[in-house]
Amino acid sequence: DAGITQSPRHKVTETGTPVTLRCHQTENHRYMYWYRQDPGHGLRLIHYSYGVKDTDKGEVSDGYSVSRSKTEDFLLTLESATSSQTSVYFCAISESSGRAGETQYFGPGTRLLVL
Amino acid sequence: LAKTTQPISMDSYEGQEVNITCSHNNIATNDYITWYQQFPSQGPRFIIQGYKTKVTNEVASLFIPADRKSSTLSLPRVSLSDTAVYYCLVGDGGDSNYQLIWGAGTKLIIKP
Repeated sequence: DAGITQSPRHKVTETGTPVTLRCHQTENHRYMYWYRQDPGHGLRLIHYSYGVKDTDKGEVSDGYSVSRSKTEDFLLTLESATSSQTSVYFCAISESSGRAGETQYFGPGTRLLVL
Repeated sequence: LAKTTQPISMDSYEGQEVNITCSHNNIATNDYITWYQQFPSQGPRFIIQGYKTKVTNEVASLFIPADRKSSTLSLPRVSLSDTAVYYCLVGDGGDSNYQLIWGAGTKLIIKP
């Protein structure tokens, strides 16, 4: 299995508080992604990164920011958590192109509950 | 923007062949089509990918017609352990505006 870890694995927080999720990889892959997964919506891309300090928005980026200061770490921040951001968050990595034909390797996920 | 359509759910029985089709228009010309499998409480994992015609690996086959407007994942002789959600993934756009387009997922339930 690809070396991808996510922390925390579970988090309960209150509306209005900031939350940061961490994704760490040991594969030295160029691309990293943050997805959220909700019932009935499948996987939705929040943000992705194509290198250190290089990030771009996905389809559901409002309310989220990201940072990548090192190849191995990709942080997702919910600046002021809302109940609509209760979800399962997956990090993924891919080697070099970011294309659909390049295999993405997923982390174990983080379950976030915003009360 | 390319759009994908998959059945929301499917049922089948052990030992049967299961075919799941994803319709996708206007996908990136030179891009592969990829399928993923997801078990509960896990992240998706790669099953198979193809560009045209038929691809087979130890787990599944993938059929892609010449117009590439759809792809069909075929799981031969399914077992209970094939119960999962299956996603197709395609790409849209060129180098400057490329986007990944995920299908909404097909929940496959295999019955004994």
